[in-house]
Amino acid sequence: NAGVTQTPKFRVLKTGQSMTLLCAQDMNHEYMYWYRQDPGMGLRLIHYSVGEGTTAKGEVPDGYNVSRLKKQNFLLGLESAAPSQTSVYFCASSYPPKLMNTEAFFGQGTRLTVV
Amino acid sequence: EDQVTQSPEALRLQEGESSSLNCSYTVSGLRGLFWYRQDPGKGPEFLFTLYSAGEEKEKERLKATLTKKESFLHITAPKPEDSATYLCAVLLEGGGNKLTFGTGTQLKVEL
Repeated sequence: NAGVTQTPKFRVLKTGQSMTLLCAQDMNHEYMYWYRQDPGMGLRLIHYSVGEGTTAKGEVPDGYNVSRLKKQNFLLGLESAAPSQTSVYFCASSYPPKLMNTEAFFGQGTRLTVV
Repeated sequence: EDQVTQSPEALRLQEGESSSLNCSYTVSGLRGLFWYRQDPGKGPEFLFTLYSAGEEKEKERLKATLTKKESFLHITAPKPEDSATYLCAVLLEGGGNKLTFGTGTQLKVEL
């Protein structure tokens, strides 16, 4: 039982390059999320999805796009990377809020550096 | 504006020295409050969910409590392996299932 798996774990990009971060979960969760974590800022929500084929903006969506083509996968794209996107990115998944066990389970993170 | 504030930012304890971490919140409509533990280089690991004022939950040396304005994470007789960053997050009414996180308390337990 892998839980939430993120790929890659580390990446260095040059300004202007593009990349896609992959998140896969095997818990049959409806909801999936992408957060970024920066020193002193806490975890901030970038985008989220409440089900296959749906996505929505979070707190800091600019510069990112997402897709949820399959229930178990949630992709985060950076079309033109900027140094301000240097961060640690976490994917998470959970059951819908109408259920009691709504805690989110997190992946191990992707450390991205944009130079 | 909804806010989640954790204090202290950092805490250093001797092994066996009990203490408490605080998470205060000013939100409109709390559905639940979550505590997570995060080790360096790892993702947050779920500890507790609290849904209503007066509720308490325990796990080994940790006990979480909730009032209408704040939550405490009590650590009894901590060990070095309890060293980590502890994150608090709130789930709001009408906010889907999106968590709003505090910035965390970095705990160091020394021998």
